Amino acid sequence: DTEVTQTPKHLVMGMTNKKSLKCEQHMGHRAMYWYKQKAKKPPELMFVYSYEKLSINESVPSRFSPECPNSSLLNLHLHALQPEDSALYLCASSQVTLAVRNEQFFGPGTRLTVL
Amino acid sequence: GENVEQHPSTLSVQEGDSAVIKCTYSDSASNYFPWYKQELGKRPQLIIDIRSNVGEKKDQRIAVTLNKTAKHFSLHITETQPEDSAVYFCAASDASSASKIIFGSGTRLSIRP
Repeated sequence: DTEVTQTPKHLVMGMTNKKSLKCEQHMGHRAMYWYKQKAKKPPELMFVYSYEKLSINESVPSRFSPECPNSSLLNLHLHALQPEDSALYLCASSQVTLAVRNEQFFGPGTRLTVL
Repeated sequence: GENVEQHPSTLSVQEGDSAVIKCTYSDSASNYFPWYKQELGKRPQLIIDIRSNVGEKKDQRIAVTLNKTAKHFSLHITETQPEDSAVYFCAASDASSASKIIFGSGTRLSIRP
């Protein structure tokens, strides 16, 4: 299985809602990532988990809260978002180190709209 | 930290012609350079990558060259086809973190029939 899956595909939420994005991979990768991508822009790194521990937080606002419950799952909890947070949220996974073949495999993304 | 610049931002070529996209990076310690293709509404997908110990790599119609001295790398697509139309992102590893790659701003490639 060489696929990263994400749910839901689309999400519309109000600024007072609490929602979660989910990501799953079964490639045995021990690094997992959350990216945010605005239209016509490159993916922007938000968080990196390495061996289920948060290793990189790119100064993301606390209204985004990541969680890695096990080596296959990655969640992104959303609370009190702003309209400017509307974007495509991509999950990715890879081997931990960029030593060997370390391609980052991306999921299809969740298209988030904040009203 | 690493900074990656990519040019051009848009590129239109006649079907069958070649396309070249260029990127520069700032950190001489970066050692991994992937290229991703993202079709409209789809996820980014790796099309080719190169490590700093290699100067050139080819996979069918796609090739990447790396000049470590000048800190630039390029993507070459030959015999372009309509399905090559997409946004292409170059990227470079961040030497401070084994897991982090920095993306260029992207090139929207259009293939004219």
